[in-house]
Amino acid sequence: SQTIHQWPATLVQPVGSPLSLECTVEGTSNPNLYWYRQAAGRGLQLLFYSVGIGQISSEVPQNLSASRPQDRQFILSSKKLLLSDSGFYLCAWTLLNGDSEAFFGQGTRLTVV
Amino acid sequence: RKEVEQDPGPFNVPEGATVAFNCTYSNSASQSFFWYRQDCRKEPKLLMSVYSSGNEDGRFTAQLNRASQYISLLIRDSKLSDSATYLCVVNYYGGATNKLIFGTGTLLAVQP
Repeated sequence: SQTIHQWPATLVQPVGSPLSLECTVEGTSNPNLYWYRQAAGRGLQLLFYSVGIGQISSEVPQNLSASRPQDRQFILSSKKLLLSDSGFYLCAWTLLNGDSEAFFGQGTRLTVV
Repeated sequence: RKEVEQDPGPFNVPEGATVAFNCTYSNSASQSFFWYRQDCRKEPKLLMSVYSSGNEDGRFTAQLNRASQYISLLIRDSKLSDSATYLCVVNYYGGATNKLIFGTGTLLAVQP
C-alpha cells in the first residue's frame, strides 16, 4: 500500500534561518507531488507541484523553493525564513491520472519567531 | 478572483439538520472535482469525488454543474461527528500540468 511520510511534525525557527522540509512517498512510482501551506483559519494555498523528477511548477512568488531530487522525494526549502512563512505545511501526492484523489502527509506546523 | 470559491461559514446547525455547501470554480478547463474534510489541526482527507451525474454516499450527496461551474455537497441528518471544515477541490491536468486547487473551506459546527 502507498504511504507518505512528512517530517518534522513541528518546527520552531528564528527569522532569517534556513528551512528544509522533506516528504517521501512509498508504494507507488512517478506520483504527482504537491506542497501546500495553510495559515491559521485559512484554506490550503498551493505552493509547488511536480509531475516528475526535476520538474517543479511554482504557484506563488515567495522566498520558498522546492526540489524533487528523486522520483518519490519532494523537498521544500528556504534560505531565510520570514515571520509570514509560519503556517501548516502539507505535502500530498496523486497518481498521474487527473481523477486520482490526493493523499496527504500529516503536515509540519512551522512557527517562525 | 479566486480559482475556487466557497462560503467560509461557519454553518451552525442542529443535529439532524440538512445542510448544503456550494463551491464555484473559475477555470472551465477543470477536469475532476472532489470534496475533502479537514478536522482541526489535521490533514485533509477525501470525503468523495464529484461526478457530472451526481453521486451519493450514505448521507452525503455531491453534484457538479459544469455549465455553471458549480459544485455542491449536501449532508442529510447531520451528526455531531460531521463537525469539520469541508473543502472543495478542483483538478486541472494535462501534459506538464496537474494542479490541485483547494477552496478556502466551509466550517460546519453541528450542535447537540
